[in-house]
Amino acid sequence: AQSVTQLDSHVSVSEGTPVLLRCNYSSSYSPSLFWYVQHPNKGLQLLLKYTSAATLVKGINGFEAEFKKSETSFHLTKPSAHMSDAAEYFCVVSDAGNMLTFGGGTRLMVKP
Amino acid sequence: NAGVTQTPKFQVLKTGQSMTLQCAQDMNHEYMSWYRQDPGMGLRLIHYSVGAGITDQGEVPNGYNVSRSTTEDFPLRLLSAAPSQTSVYFCASSYSSGLNEKLFFGSGTQLSVL
Repeated sequence: AQSVTQLDSHVSVSEGTPVLLRCNYSSSYSPSLFWYVQHPNKGLQLLLKYTSAATLVKGINGFEAEFKKSETSFHLTKPSAHMSDAAEYFCVVSDAGNMLTFGGGTRLMVKP
Repeated sequence: NAGVTQTPKFQVLKTGQSMTLQCAQDMNHEYMSWYRQDPGMGLRLIHYSVGAGITDQGEVPNGYNVSRSTTEDFPLRLLSAAPSQTSVYFCASSYSSGLNEKLFFGSGTQLSVL
């Protein structure tokens, strides 16, 4: 069985400072990993995905994530937060079949 | 392109009532799915379909039915609504059911069951 743990339910940063959203996963296979973002009252949008190519994945809006197999982690980072980054972020794992497993989400707040 | 369209955006039901949440996509995607989103629990898969005429259960299928008579449409039926079904529901689609496929989400339906 696969599972995803997002280690922080809320993260607050100041505009212009780095963002780190943490994600750990468990999987019986070589997983595919995703980060999705959800802005208020909107559907989810794909930020980036890892599919066993380069371990450092670049996504949209300056976000990137690094796959670390030894740590079973897939943390999301951004060098400098912008007010428009305030949203909820979901780490997602897919390792078999047709089902994705979502983490519980991390709400990112950006202070001016 | 409209993408994935869900209707209605909001719905209030009384316990025991039935209703259908509509989902349509215009991208010719084979894979469609329904999720419910509850605070702190992420999204949980209710049902999914890998093509017209083919459906299967996800993680939390009880109390819900689906059908897929066309590629475009994937309605979700609540048979007898219960307060535990109060949630935000999302429909999502992708080109195929491959593990690496990007999901396209609708804007959600907020359902309250009294």
